[in-house]
Amino acid sequence: SQQGEEDPQALSIQEGENATMNCSYKTSINNLQWYRQNSGRGLVHLILIRSNEREKHSGRLRVTLDTSKKSSSLLITASRAADTASYFCATVRMNRDDKIIFGKGTRLHILP
Amino acid sequence: EPEVTQTPSHQVTQMGQEVILRCVPISNHLYFYWYRQILGQKVEFLVSFYNNEISEKSEIFDDQFSVERPDGSNFTLKIRSTKLEDSAMYFCASMGGETQYFGPGTRLLVL
Repeated sequence: SQQGEEDPQALSIQEGENATMNCSYKTSINNLQWYRQNSGRGLVHLILIRSNEREKHSGRLRVTLDTSKKSSSLLITASRAADTASYFCATVRMNRDDKIIFGKGTRLHILP
Repeated sequence: EPEVTQTPSHQVTQMGQEVILRCVPISNHLYFYWYRQILGQKVEFLVSFYNNEISEKSEIFDDQFSVERPDGSNFTLKIRSTKLEDSAMYFCASMGGETQYFGPGTRLLVL
């Protein structure tokens, strides 16, 4: 079954450094999205990249997509304490309805 | 900015009781979803809803679950007879364009 799997499972970096999280999936997709979840809270949509796009930017976020490798990366530049959260990649399958398949997430901790 | 809202934020219930979780999707959205997240686990799809009917449901969404859009604004998830393993965070989402916008969730605890 299609599944997004993030890597690493957990990441701790110093404030100001860049954080990179990776995601792999198994089947063809329409798009891939990244969400953030603060502890015990709701899911906040960060960015969407379509299957025909290779890179996308939004503020301090940069997402890449390699459909040949079925992988994506999320880069957060100049990290801040407020970036501490879990980050999930989520995929929407090709030619299917729009349910989202979530990965297990990367827990990012920004150290002061 | 429009947002999805959910009530209640927390609910504690006894095993076997019925619960209704409520959601108000973003007003001009047409596709609605329920997901759940058991503590420490990934977010799992439960059901999608379009044009007043279920368009897809997962294996989790058995006969104990039902969804309804009783009026033009609310979207509800009912669990008829709760089990201990139904304890989770339940998220409602509505879709505009290609993006699903999630509510803050209802934390359900079944005792």
